[in-house]
Amino acid sequence: QVQLHESGPGLVKPSETLSLTCTVSGGSISSYSWSWIRQPPGKRLEWMGLISYSGNTNYNPSLKTRVTISADMSKNQFSLRLTSVAAADRAVYYCARAITGGPSLYFDSWGQGTLVTVSS
Amino acid sequence: DIQMTQSPSTLSASVGDRVTITCRASQSISRWLAWYQQRPGKAPKLLIYDASTLEVGVPSRFSGSGSGTEFTLTISSLQPDDFATYYCQQYISYSPTFGQGTKVEIK
Repeated sequence: QVQLHESGPGLVKPSETLSLTCTVSGGSISSYSWSWIRQPPGKRLEWMGLISYSGNTNYNPSLKTRVTISADMSKNQFSLRLTSVAAADRAVYYCARAITGGPSLYFDSWGQGTLVTVSS
Repeated sequence: DIQMTQSPSTLSASVGDRVTITCRASQSISRWLAWYQQRPGKAPKLLIYDASTLEVGVPSRFSGSGSGTEFTLTISSLQPDDFATYYCQQYISYSPTFGQGTKVEIK
């Protein structure tokens, strides 16, 4: 059974870059596509972007200029970079396995989430 | 962006009740809809995809229906573990969006 675990700083200063890593165990990241999804406290989930098994990326248009998702196959990890963060980026950040194919893009396995706060 | 709107936002029910949650899309999404359950402080859990296909391991008291712009999630007999927040998510566009959630509370 695949397991995902997010790691990274829980506090980022305004205007700086948020960086998180998701470590996948129980399966190879080269077999699936992977996403980052965030949830501001008390708000709905927001899909941030995806990296496919072939390394292609697709981002939420509202975040496209600030988001980069990359993968390290040798470590079975994928990562999120979000630049120029502001208070509105405070959220629980989840990594998730994406089921893709045809129009499908839903998420069948999730990490436990990590809260990132933006503050000086 | 396709907007997803759930109703109600909060629902009070008792163990054993039949519960129905509605999700509406701002435009047709065919049957490209998933439902998730999220317990407090936990990650979402996939319940249903393709509007009505139950994810492996999900109890059969959960069911989904609908197509186009209107969808429902039904819990046939509410159990103590089911008190949680439920989210719908569309995936017809390659920019998935979620509903605002429906919190199922104990009456």
